[in-house]
Amino acid sequence: AQSVTQPDIHITVSEGASLELRCNYSYGATPYLFWYVQSPGQGLQLLLKYFSGDTLVQGIKGFEAEFKRSQSSFNLRKPSVHWSDAAEYFCAVEGGTSYGKLTFGQGTILTVHP
Amino acid sequence: NAGVTQTPKFRVLKTGQSMTLLCAQDMNHEYMYWYRQDPGMGLRLIHYSVGEGTTAKGEVPDGYNVSRLKKQNFLLGLESAAPSQTSVYFCASSTGRGSSQPQHFGDGTRLSIL
Repeated sequence: AQSVTQPDIHITVSEGASLELRCNYSYGATPYLFWYVQSPGQGLQLLLKYFSGDTLVQGIKGFEAEFKRSQSSFNLRKPSVHWSDAAEYFCAVEGGTSYGKLTFGQGTILTVHP
Repeated sequence: NAGVTQTPKFRVLKTGQSMTLLCAQDMNHEYMYWYRQDPGMGLRLIHYSVGEGTTAKGEVPDGYNVSRLKKQNFLLGLESAAPSQTSVYFCASSTGRGSSQPQHFGDGTRLSIL
């Protein structure tokens, strides 16, 4: 069965600083990988996805993520964080025969200090 | 451009009461999903449907039932609510497995069981 681990429950950064959120997955083959963001009281919004090809994917709001097969990781990065990026971030994996079912990590709460 | 709409947004129930959560999507998506979100646990799949008239169990199906009588609607039922079912429930839809259009989420239903 597939699984996702987000090691950091809560991360605090200063506005303008760089950001990296970690995500490790467990799956036998190459999975489909996603990062979602959730603002308080809202649903989840897709930031970016990896299906195949270039291992560095660009998303919305200036985010990017890099798929590293050797490390089973899909870390999310942003070079300069804005106060509006404060939210909870979820990494998710879809396995090859799972009918689109997503397995989510536990989430990482991002706090941005001015 | 409604996307995925969940009804109601908030509800408080007493233990043993029943209720139905409604999810409606206007994107002609084949696949629909119900998740629950609990602190520190990410989102967990309750039930899903790969087409009108079909349903299947997800990771945490006990205590819930679902129906997909129409393609655009996916209903989640609690027959006898328990305090352990206090959670935020999210509905999502997608065109299908591994497609370029990943899951679209509703804004959630906050359910409290007293």
